[in-house]
Amino acid sequence: ETGVTQTPRHLVMGMTNKKSLKCEQHLGHNAMYWYKQSAKKPLELMFVYNFKEQTENNSVPSRFSPECPNSSHLFLHLHTLQPEDSALYLCASSQDYPAPPEQYFGPGTRLTVT
Amino acid sequence: TQLLEQSPQFLSIQEGENLTVYCNSSSVFSSLQWYRQEPGEGPVLLVTVVTGGEVKKLKRLTFQFGDARKDSSLHITAAQPGDTGLYLCAGDFMDSNYQLIWGAGTKLIIKP
Repeated sequence: ETGVTQTPRHLVMGMTNKKSLKCEQHLGHNAMYWYKQSAKKPLELMFVYNFKEQTENNSVPSRFSPECPNSSHLFLHLHTLQPEDSALYLCASSQDYPAPPEQYFGPGTRLTVT
Repeated sequence: TQLLEQSPQFLSIQEGENLTVYCNSSSVFSSLQWYRQEPGEGPVLLVTVVTGGEVKKLKRLTFQFGDARKDSSLHITAAQPGDTGLYLCAGDFMDSNYQLIWGAGTKLIIKP
């Protein structure tokens, strides 16, 4: 595998389910990110981890819980989500944080909450 | 609060035509990046511009950074169907702790 991988690519879950999104980067980067992408809106930064430590949490509801066991892996644990949480969830990595700014993205997980 | 405005929001043109899309802010960028996102994929970095007035070329794509580092443009010459996608700009600002601020994107469709 090369670059940034994400699984699953598609996820449909009920409001009472618990699921997890997984991201792995094969670039040797030190920083990893979770973004939410909704149609016609800018990317919303959710969390940033740098050297496994959370450095940013942009007022994300507690029903989203990140986990970063090492610099290569990032998880987003989901529970009791709302329909408005349906979106494309993108994982990204960069060499360091906050600079350099160039980020490398995975293909995303398309999440639908029913 | 810094905001990036991208225009137009949507553009549909015929293959072979030229086009320009824009990214504007009221604040000065430390640097600005352009990404392209194809359906079902994540954004892919195209270029980073840093110096006011800078021009960078990537095959048929020409990126320009404004002299005052508050705006940028992307010009595509002789557009091809493979250029179809969502074009995103993202900038970092000195007074935002260099956190990237994203525009909402220009959705570009090139018809054969």
